Formats: sequence, structure tokens, C-alpha cells
Amino acid sequence: NIVLTQSPATLSVTPGESVSLSCRASQSISTSIHWYQQKSNESPRLLIKYASQSISGIPSRFSGSGSGTDFTLSINRVESEDFSIYYCQQSYSSLFTFGSGTKLEIK
Amino acid sequence: QVKLLQSGAELVKPGASVKLSCKASGFTFSTSYMSWLKQVPGPSIEWIGWIYAGDGGTNYNQRFKGKATLTVDKSSSTAYMDLSSLTSEDAAVYFCARLTGSHFDYWGQGVMVTVSS
Repeated sequence: NIVLTQSPATLSVTPGESVSLSCRASQSISTSIHWYQQKSNESPRLLIKYASQSISGIPSRFSGSGSGTDFTLSINRVESEDFSIYYCQQSYSSLFTFGSGTKLEIK
Repeated sequence: QVKLLQSGAELVKPGASVKLSCKASGFTFSTSYMSWLKQVPGPSIEWIGWIYAGDGGTNYNQRFKGKATLTVDKSSSTAYMDLSSLTSEDAAVYFCARLTGSHFDYWGQGVMVTVSS
């Protein structure tokens, strides 16, 4: 199985700061990584597909980068509605797996 | 717009089975791949499997073979997941989601399954 390691587990920031969340794969997965946001008691929402491709309706402050084993989700100027948990998911293997998430919280 | 409406919360006894449903609307269900995922407090998400609504073809996470069975009813645009021989380890929130390419672009609201005597 391809293991995805997300760091940090928790990130405390002030609204208006820009942040980068990391997702590292246990083997090279090209750009087969997707990012989701999950707010408390809600279902996950797709933010970025294939490492860097934007999704219709998602604010432009969200962006993704990376290839191979190291991937980053960046949020430019965090807003109050962004405080939630972020997951990465790989599709390089037919056994889809998720990272354990990064919780973005208000400092 | 795309909607996936899941059935309500379930309380089931150990050893029993449960069937969860996911009614789709706003897209062509018959040519779609539907997936089910499990989330336990923690939080972590596990992919259970997918089913192609067109012909009922399936692909399961080996970990859930024998535990989960995915089916669809094209006439009602509904996906189902049967969970059998439930134990405390099956207690979780279960989501259905549409699988497009290799990512999950729309999700149901989730259903909590509690296993207790």
C-alpha cells in the first residue's frame, strides 16, 4: 500500500497568514494526488486534483504543487472559513489511500 | 446540481448486517462510478470500493472483501452497500461519493453506523 504522511498534524495560524501543508508519499506517485477539505461534521470537499489542477467553485487562494513523492497544498491568506482538516489522497495505486490529515486551527 | 443523499443513522447489533443507501441526482448515474468510504473518529478515511453503475462491475479494497458488498439500482439511481457480521470495529461514518477519474468529486452527507447490543 502507498502510505501518505501529512505534516504537520496541526497547524495554528492567524487569519491572513499564508500556509503550506505537506503530503509525502511512500513511493513516487507522479502527480496522482488530490486534496480535500473537511469541516467539522461535514463531508469532505474536493479542492485540488492531480496535484495542481484547480476545481470549479474553489477559491483561488487554494493551490497545489509537487510531483513524485512530495506535495504541497498552499492557502494564500487564510480566511476564517478555512479552519478545518485537510486530507491528501493518492490514486497512483488502484488501492486508493488517504493521509491522516492536517488540522488547520486558529492561533 | 449533483446531490448524493444517504439514508439515516443506523444502530445495529453485533453480528447483524446493515444496508446503506445513496440516492443520486443531477448527473448521469448509469455511466458513473460510485464509491464508498469509511471514516472513524481519529480522523482517518479508508476507501472501501467502487462500483460501475453501468454494468455493476466492482473493485474492492482487499481489507473490506467479505465485509462490504456494493450494488446499484439504475432504475432509482441508487447505490447500496451491505455490511455484514458487524463488530465494534465497523462503527464509523460511511460516505458514498462519485468517483471521477481517480478522485472523489461529490460526496454524500455521511451516515453514522453504531454497533451495540
